[in-house]
Amino acid sequence: EPEVTQTPSHQVTQMGQEVILRCVPISNHLYFYWYRQILGQKVEFLVSFYNNEISEKSEIFDDQFSVERPDGSNFTLKIRSTKLEDSAMYFCASKAPANTEAFFGQGTRLTVV
Amino acid sequence: AQSVTQLDSHVSVSEGTPVLLRCNYSSSYSPSLFWYVQHPNKGLQLLLKYTSAATLVKGINGFEAEFKKSETSFHLTKPSAHMSDAAEYFCVVSPMGGFKTIFGAGTRLFVKA
Repeated sequence: EPEVTQTPSHQVTQMGQEVILRCVPISNHLYFYWYRQILGQKVEFLVSFYNNEISEKSEIFDDQFSVERPDGSNFTLKIRSTKLEDSAMYFCASKAPANTEAFFGQGTRLTVV
Repeated sequence: AQSVTQLDSHVSVSEGTPVLLRCNYSSSYSPSLFWYVQHPNKGLQLLLKYTSAATLVKGINGFEAEFKKSETSFHLTKPSAHMSDAAEYFCVVSPMGGFKTIFGAGTRLFVKA
């Protein structure tokens, strides 16, 4: 069964460092998303990406965040200068055009120290 | 505008008794509605979805949900709880043709032996 794959499963980084979280969406999907879940809190929408551009973003997704689909298969989330409060589980999701169901990856747990 | 409200932050049931997890939604357009489950330290797994077909939707692991437009509800039920059902459950709304998928705050289900 096709699935969304995220790497790494866990990343520890020092405050102020840049991190790149990687996702491989399901191959025929066209809509891509990033969500985050701070420990003990709800899942929050960060950004959606379609047709090689951001289609929607939340107020959380400020200038320190960026997304890219560099090679037609990977979908990355970059955090330029990490802060302690960026520590969270980050979920990637994708969905096909004719289906509103989003498929989620297993998540990357980011810990900023 | 769309939103989703999960009426209980946690629910505790005994094994073998029925489960009811409540969800109300608000959406300007005909939405698709989903229930996802998250087991500890795991990703998000789709339990079931409503996409404007039958109002009673059956999902995996014996769960089902009924879409009630007049009550703007999409409650999740299961006739008999199992210990393995203990997890966090998220009600999710996605507008037809829209980009953003909105999560409820989650309901943690505890199952007592």
